[in-house]
Amino acid sequence: EVQLVESGGGLIQPGGSLRLSCAASGFIVSSNYMSWVRQAPGKGLEWVSVIYRGGNTDYADSVKGRFTISTDNSKNTVHLQMNSLRVGDTAVYYCARDGYAALDVWGQGTTVTVS
Amino acid sequence: DIQMTQSPSTLSVSVGDRVTITCRASQSISDWLAWYQQKPGKAPKLLIYKASNLESGVPSRFSGSGSGTAFTLTLSSLQPDDFATYYCQQYNSYPRTFGQGTKLEIK
Repeated sequence: EVQLVESGGGLIQPGGSLRLSCAASGFIVSSNYMSWVRQAPGKGLEWVSVIYRGGNTDYADSVKGRFTISTDNSKNTVHLQMNSLRVGDTAVYYCARDGYAALDVWGQGTTVTVS
Repeated sequence: DIQMTQSPSTLSVSVGDRVTITCRASQSISDWLAWYQQKPGKAPKLLIYKASNLESGVPSRFSGSGSGTAFTLTLSSLQPDDFATYYCQQYNSYPRTFGQGTKLEIK
């Protein structure tokens, strides 16, 4: 079964750091583009970051310089390292497979609260 | 960045209604347009990709059309399970961008 499972969310003070993880099963992360998308409470969806098949990365302007996306191919996992967290980063964070069929596989989400 | 504008923001509808949601891109995105359904507390679910391709397992009452800058999502006959929020998303380029969402409410 193709599946994504996020973990690592929690309550953190402004200026702190968190690392989110997204474990994939049923497909190989390194053979796909993988994105993170977030949703602030009561708000819409906001794309955050992508890691391409070759390992290059891209970020939304709102997180550039603070967040880092990476993969651990041995664990078939995508990570999002979040530093210098702000109250405005409070959201549910989803990872998703990003390809020809758009964001076709999503995790269940992990909640980050910066307060 | 490509801006996506959805309308309406809210729609009051009844079971059996035909529903149309519109999405416009600030520049041409060809047919790199997806539609998602999201229910409270759940992750978004892909419904349509490449503007008009139905994702596997999605009921045929959902359909998508359009190209360039104007797109529509149509539900031919609304079912109780369809009350949710719907988002369009362009994947022509990064940053990926979403419409603001359309919430279907029970009339």
